[in-house]
Amino acid sequence: SQTIHQWPATLVQPVGSPLSLECTVEGTSNPNLYWYRQAAGRGLQLLFYSVGIGQISSEVPQNLSASRPQDRQFILSSKKLLLSDSGFYLCAWSGTLDSSLHFGNGTRLTVT
Amino acid sequence: GEDVEQSLFLSVREGDSSVINCTYTDSSSTYLYWYKQEPGAGLQLLTYIFSNMDMKQDQRLTVLLNKKDKHLSLRIADTQTGDSAIYFCAPGGSARQLTFGSGTQLTVLP
Repeated sequence: SQTIHQWPATLVQPVGSPLSLECTVEGTSNPNLYWYRQAAGRGLQLLFYSVGIGQISSEVPQNLSASRPQDRQFILSSKKLLLSDSGFYLCAWSGTLDSSLHFGNGTRLTVT
Repeated sequence: GEDVEQSLFLSVREGDSSVINCTYTDSSSTYLYWYKQEPGAGLQLLTYIFSNMDMKQDQRLTVLLNKKDKHLSLRIADTQTGDSAIYFCAPGGSARQLTFGSGTQLTVLP
């Protein structure tokens, strides 16, 4: 069966520091991968999605970037964090012929 | 883009039925999903309905779809304390196109 791992679970970082969140998927090949941010108001905002290695689409302009160095690895990064980057970050995957999303357990990021 | 609206809060007594409602604007949505989020966790896929269906039942869960009114509901029978969570409605045509509502916080009272 397919599983998705996301880490770390929680992170507290100072303003101006770099960020790297990692997500890996097991049990499937060539998944579509996604990064979402969930603000305190609960809505989910799609940040990035990827249909293959090195292929990244950005949905909103921001201080963050994403990379997909391997088929089942997706990384969310920032060179310099802002206070407004605080939130709950969720990685998800879908099959290429599948419309449903399968989420990781999320990373709670607090920028101080 | 798609707008998806849900009530923010719902409280029910344990053993009663819960009905969580959702309205959406994009009539071309092919799939309509319900996700559950427990505190501090990711979203868990609960159930879904295809746009050509009116109703789908899955154990204690019943999904009703009114395409004319663009209204989707999730009924949970015999609600238990373990059902307390935030429930998200998400219609769309593909995984990338899914639009999530703001979620309904379901509180089950003993």
